[in-house]
Amino acid sequence: AQSVSQHNHHVILSEAASLELGCNYSYGGTVNLFWYVQYPGQHLQLLLKYFSGDPLVKGIKGFEAEFIKSKFSFNLRKPSVQWSDTAEYFCAVMLDGSGNTGKLIFGQGTTLQVKP
Amino acid sequence: NAGVTQTPKFQVLKTGQSMTLQCAQDMNHEYMSWYRQDPGMGLRLIHYSVGAGITDQGEVPNGYNVSRSTTEDFPLRLLSAAPSQTSVYFCASSSDRGRETQYFGPGTRLLVL
Repeated sequence: AQSVSQHNHHVILSEAASLELGCNYSYGGTVNLFWYVQYPGQHLQLLLKYFSGDPLVKGIKGFEAEFIKSKFSFNLRKPSVQWSDTAEYFCAVMLDGSGNTGKLIFGQGTTLQVKP
Repeated sequence: NAGVTQTPKFQVLKTGQSMTLQCAQDMNHEYMSWYRQDPGMGLRLIHYSVGAGITDQGEVPNGYNVSRSTTEDFPLRLLSAAPSQTSVYFCASSSDRGRETQYFGPGTRLLVL
């Protein structure tokens, strides 16, 4: 079965530190890739998405992610985090192709805590 | 536009009770889905719909029913609540099943005693 794995469950950083959150998926076909963020008390919002083209994708609030097909990875990065980035981050995969039903497969989530 | 709305925000049920979680969207989206969010497990798909009158099961459908009589509404029914259904439930919608962003509602927190 297809799955998405986020390696870091809880990350604590100081402001201005660099961030990289890992995401790997298990599926050999074409995929669409997403990162969602859930700020405390709020619902999920899209940070960025990758469908095709340039594997380096830029999203909102200075986040970016790189799709490395050979590694089945889609890691999220930010050069300098802020206290307001404290949130839970979810990687998600949607299988593309003729069998696409629009179903998102989510990773377990990573809680990021940024200390001021 | 209100986007995706969910009611109630919070609900306490006793084991065996039934209830319906409401979800509505005003964006004329064809695709709608229900997820449950549990600590350490991310979000798991319960049921989804690709249009009015069409529904299908997701990853964890047992104990839940859905229907899609209109484009706007996609209610989730718990037939006989169990403590294992204690969770936060999110409804989502998108204009295209594959390539468009899914918009999530604010969630319903359900506690089953």
